[in-house]
Amino acid sequence: SQQGEEDPQALSIQEGENATMNCSYKTSINNLQWYRQNSGRGLVHLILIRSNEREKHSGRLRVTLDTSKKSSSLLITASRAADTASYFCATDSTGANSKLTFGKGITLSVRP
Amino acid sequence: DGGITQSPKYLFRKEGQNVTLSCEQNLNHDAMYWYRQDPGQGLRLIYYSQIVNDFQKGDIAEGYSVSREKKESFPLTVTSAQKNPTAFYLCASSEDYGVGAETQYFGPGTRLLVL
Repeated sequence: SQQGEEDPQALSIQEGENATMNCSYKTSINNLQWYRQNSGRGLVHLILIRSNEREKHSGRLRVTLDTSKKSSSLLITASRAADTASYFCATDSTGANSKLTFGKGITLSVRP
Repeated sequence: DGGITQSPKYLFRKEGQNVTLSCEQNLNHDAMYWYRQDPGQGLRLIYYSQIVNDFQKGDIAEGYSVSREKKESFPLTVTSAQKNPTAFYLCASSEDYGVGAETQYFGPGTRLLVL
């Protein structure tokens, strides 16, 4: 089964609004990452948050991690039309041979 | 420029044919990965390699093969045994494959279509 599952599946907002995307996972992790994918392109890494961190910021991005609830959220503030893309959370899992498992992604549309 | 390149951008496969997708990185990364992405889906791991001359199967390795003869290169062959190869293939690399997966850097992808 998928380790990370994003919610909602799709999100449409007006430019300037904030966008909040959520990710839930099932097993203990070392870290959780968020990636962005423009249509037909490769993924671009946005931010990595480790299991001992609760919040991390990068520019207009804020990521939180709640290991007790096995969930994370990605907040994009003051969204722009250029933020339109698919966003994926990816988790590893504690233990040997850790690898990234990606969710199905959230499609974000920012209307000008 | 440092990064990952994939070629070709589009690839057409005839039935019964093996095709090879190229992935090259000049980031000096030890680990490399191949993923498959189907429409509206996340990425599924096909194969990964932690070091030269070593690789392991991912979640959907059947019908695929890889080699890792050089640190910078990790080609993927889609064999005729892969009955549903139409997908978007992404190659990635990371600095290390230790405890805790590190940031992965992705190539632009190859779209494989079946004639």
